[in-house]
This record gives sequence, structure tokens and C-alpha cells, in this order.
Amino acid sequence: EPEVTQTPSHQVTQMGQEVILRCVPISNHLYFYWYRQILGQKVEFLVSFYNNEISEKSEIFDDQFSVERPDGSNFTLKIRSTKLEDSAMYFCASSEIRLDLGDTQYFGPGTRLTVL
Amino acid sequence: QKEVEQNSGPLSVPEGAIASLNCTYSDRGSQSFFWYRQYSGKSPELIMFIYSNGDKEDGRFTAQLNKASQYVSLLIRDSQPSDSATYLCAVNMGSMDSNYQLIWGAGTKLIIKP
Repeated sequence: EPEVTQTPSHQVTQMGQEVILRCVPISNHLYFYWYRQILGQKVEFLVSFYNNEISEKSEIFDDQFSVERPDGSNFTLKIRSTKLEDSAMYFCASSEIRLDLGDTQYFGPGTRLTVL
Repeated sequence: QKEVEQNSGPLSVPEGAIASLNCTYSDRGSQSFFWYRQYSGKSPELIMFIYSNGDKEDGRFTAQLNKASQYVSLLIRDSQPSDSATYLCAVNMGSMDSNYQLIWGAGTKLIIKP
């Protein structure tokens, strides 16, 4: 069964450093998403991406964040200058069509980001 | 502020009994509703989704949606110890600025006691 994959599974970085989290969505999916979950808290939407551009983003997704689809398979989340409060589990998800048109999102296993 | 509310639990249910999980949402225009299961340290795993009022059954799971009351529930029949997890309710509001995203509840921790 096709699945979303993410690398690395765990990333440790120093405050102020840049990190890139990588995701390979399901191959026939067209919509891609990043969510984060701070330990013990709700899953929070960060951004959605379709047709090589951001379709929606939350207040959390400020100028330190960016997303990119550098090739036909990878989808990346870059955090330019990490802060302690960026420590969280970051989940990538993908869907074939838009949620409001009747689709569901499938999640990758997550990358645990620890900022020291 | 768009909200999805769940009782955090823990909800303790004997093995073999029915577990009932509830979720309310604030946006009356919400379009689609999802139940995910999350084991500790793992990613959310889709259990069921529902779009229309009424019940939707899939194996031991039944989702119930009442849009007038802004309420969605998940019933798990014949509960098994492996069902012990946190159950997350997620809603797609379907409005102009949220066609793509899911709004999540904090989750209900379910414990099935052997």
C-alpha cells in the first residue's frame, strides 16, 4: 500500500540553525501539507501546497518557514532560523484531491525536531 | 476562532464493550469530519471519515454526524486492548480560507482494560 515517507525521523539542531525536513508524498497525490504537534498538544496546520504554490497557510507559518517541491517526488519544509519553541513533531500529509471535494489526508510517520 | 472540542479523558472501557468518543465543532459550515487514531509517538492514522448526517459503519467502527447539533461521534464495538490510543477528531471547515486544512481536537485518550 502506498504511503507517505519522511526523513529524517529525528533531527537535533542548535537554536538559530536552518533545518530542512523532507517528505515523499504518495505518488498520485496532488495536494501536500505540513502539520506540527508540540508534545502533548494538538496537531496544528502549517501549510498546504498545490500546483507548485502555497494554497493556504496558518499564522504559525511565518517568514522563517518555507516549502518547496524541488523535484517530482520530494516536498520539503525549511525552517530558516530555528527557535526553541519549534521543537515538535512535524508531519507531512498528502491527498489526491481537495478536502472539501471529498478527499482524505494520509500522514507520514513524522520527523521529531529537537532544538537545543 | 474555529474550534474542535473533545473530552481529553482518559476514557476507560472494559474489553468487549462499546467505546463512545465525542467531538463538537464551532463552524456550522463545516464540510467533512475525520477520526484519526494516534499511538504515542506515532503519526495520526485515519480511521473513518463522514460527510453526511447520520451513521457510517466500517467494521467495528461507526461514525455518527449531526450537523444541526454540530456533533460527531465515533463508536467502537467489541473494544480490544489494541484500540487503546488517543483518538483525534479533525474537521475541514470548507470555507474560503480553509478548503485545504484540517482543524484538530486535542484528542481523547482511550484505555481498553482487559
